[in-house]
Amino acid sequence: GIQVEQSPPDLILQEGANSTLRCNFSDSVNNLQWFHQNPWGQLINLFYIPSGTKQNGRLSATTVATERYSLLYISSSQTTDSGVYFCAVGYSSASKIIFGSGTRLSIRP
Amino acid sequence: SAVISQKPSRDICQRGTSLTIQCQVDSQVTMMFWYRQQPGQSLTLIATANQGSEATYESGFVIDKFPISRPNLTFSTLTVSNMSPEDSSIYLCSVEARDRHNYGYTFGSGTRLTVV
Repeated sequence: GIQVEQSPPDLILQEGANSTLRCNFSDSVNNLQWFHQNPWGQLINLFYIPSGTKQNGRLSATTVATERYSLLYISSSQTTDSGVYFCAVGYSSASKIIFGSGTRLSIRP
Repeated sequence: SAVISQKPSRDICQRGTSLTIQCQVDSQVTMMFWYRQQPGQSLTLIATANQGSEATYESGFVIDKFPISRPNLTFSTLTVSNMSPEDSSIYLCSVEARDRHNYGYTFGSGTRLTVV
């Protein structure tokens, strides 16, 4: 099956810093999403981005499908950005999505 | 996008017992998905539940351990049977949601299960 790898596994930053999270996948995908899991366990859908670039406030994401990777950018980090960021991909005709291992982001005040 | 109500939010159970988790969606959906998130780990898909047919289980998960019901297009249950401490995890349900402006997978708030 498809492999989804995220890097870095852990990231500690000071408030105000910028960060880039990466998601590599091993095969063609028809669906790619970025999620934020907050400290209470709730999964928040950030972007649906199988290709191209999207921006939402301080967050933006870019997927280069031909090179099989996606990037999530967080600018001017805030402590509320802390948590785990997952990318998840869908492939073939199945509707299910497969999660990467996640990046744990900690923002220090 | 769809809103999912999942319950219970948490439970502490004795080993050997079973727990049934419920998910109610505010709109009709074809497929519902059940995931497990073990402590400190990513999410792993347990099974896909279609209304009117048996659930499709992923490798490593079996119906006897995780029976699923899908009686209609807005509701599903997952039962964790004959529990052991290794079943302590967060269990989440999910649906594929599409409206005029958005598309993506939406998740319930999760059930945090501790088996003692």
